[in-house]
Amino acid sequence: EVQLLESGGDLLQPGGSLRLSCAASGFTFGGYAMSWVRQAPGKGLEWLSAISGSGESTYYADSVKGRFTVSRDNSKNTLYLQMNSLRASDTAIYYCARDGKTVDYFDYWGQGTLVTVSS
Amino acid sequence: QSALTQPASVSGSPGQSITISCTGTSSDVGRYNYVSWYLQYPGKAPKLMIYEVTNRPSGVSNRFSGSKSGDTASLTISGLQAEDEADYYCSSYTSSSTLVFGGGTKLTVL
Repeated sequence: EVQLLESGGDLLQPGGSLRLSCAASGFTFGGYAMSWVRQAPGKGLEWLSAISGSGESTYYADSVKGRFTVSRDNSKNTLYLQMNSLRASDTAIYYCARDGKTVDYFDYWGQGTLVTVSS
Repeated sequence: QSALTQPASVSGSPGQSITISCTGTSSDVGRYNYVSWYLQYPGKAPKLMIYEVTNRPSGVSNRFSGSKSGDTASLTISGLQAEDEADYYCSSYTSSSTLVFGGGTKLTVL
């Protein structure tokens, strides 16, 4: 059974940094691209970033390019999202998702982790 | 990259059919057959319902179907059921090698 479990969400002040993790199980992790998607309270979905199965290729939405960095450790079956210079507008539930095909569609999603940025 | 345009809400009675539109541009929906649809219940993670315009993942009811014409993709739900009441989002790959979602549509089953 495919499982994705995010962790690392927290309450922090503007300007702070945070690293989210997504532990994967039930499939060959390195064989799939992975993405991060967020959802602000009461709002829609926003794709943030993707990384290829090998980790060699990364993709970012303009809204987070230069502030967020996606990475993965295939030996640990774990996906990461390093978030810097956080703003109140980054407050959201952050989901990791498995790409059925790179930056195309997401066939499995985690339950999400909440990041709150507030002074 | 601007969000794809979806109606804020649609409604229908049990047994009826409804269609949700998703309008993009020639740089995303109009250029690629990489449109997907997701269902999301309140407080839950999204669930893939349609991928690459017309394909249904295993386990998704055949009451759900997708199509595309020009810059607009559509999700049709036939034989509407109470359990279909949820938020629906479309997404598309873009010419910038990114992905964009629609703003979401709330489906109400009357």
